[in-house]
Amino acid sequence: NAGVTQTPKFRVLKTGQSMTLLCAQDMNHEYMYWYRQDPGMGLRLIHYSVGEGTTAKGEVPDGYNVSRLKKQNFLLGLESAAPSQTSVYFCASSFSANTHYEQYFGPGTRLTVT
Amino acid sequence: AQKITQTQPGMFVQEKEAVTLDCTYDTSDPSYGLFWYKQPSSGEMIFLIYQGSYDQQNATEGRYSLNFQKARKSANLVISASQLGDSAMYFCAMGQLTFGSGTQLTVLP
Repeated sequence: NAGVTQTPKFRVLKTGQSMTLLCAQDMNHEYMYWYRQDPGMGLRLIHYSVGEGTTAKGEVPDGYNVSRLKKQNFLLGLESAAPSQTSVYFCASSFSANTHYEQYFGPGTRLTVT
Repeated sequence: AQKITQTQPGMFVQEKEAVTLDCTYDTSDPSYGLFWYKQPSSGEMIFLIYQGSYDQQNATEGRYSLNFQKARKSANLVISASQLGDSAMYFCAMGQLTFGSGTQLTVLP
C-alpha cells in the first residue's frame, strides 16, 4: 500500500518550458488535490478533483491545468513555467470532501524555474 | 469564506515540557472539521489530530490534544512532554481547502 505518490521528486525548468506532475493514490479515494507551498504561506490550493473526469479551481489556479482521467491519478500541468511557480507542490487525497475527513499527502515535488 | 490564522511563526520549547500552538479560525458553516498536520524537515505532511465542530469533548491522540473553544473560534494544539523529534512545522487546517501559514516548533535539549 503506497498511499499517495508523486513523480518527479525534483525538477528544474527554464522559463517557458512545460511539464506535468503526476500524482497517484491507491486508496480508492474520490477526492484529490494539488497544493503549492511557499515559505511563510502554508499550503495554497491550486486545483482539486471530486471524481474521475471532474476538476475545480482552488485559490491559486492561474498558470496551471489539471486532468483526472483515471480515478487513481491526478495530473498537474504547467504549460509555460514562470519563476513565480518555483515552489514545493503537494498532492493529497481524501475519502470524501466532507470537511471531517483528513487528507493523505504525497511526499512533494520541489520545482525550480530559472 | 473560511480562514485559518496561526499567529506564531516560531516557537521554542524545552524537551519534556508542554507547548501550545495557537490556531484561530473563521467560518460561517455550522459543520466543519479542524485538523493539525506535522511537517518535519524531511518535508512530508503527517496527520496528527482531528476535531469536529459538534464534538463535545476535546480530541486527544497520545501526546497530542486539541483545546477546542468553539465560542472563541480557536483550536489550539497542545503537545505534552515534548521530544526532540517534535521539532517540525505544524499546520492547522479546516477541511481540505484551508490551511494556516504554520508554526515552526523547535524543541531544545
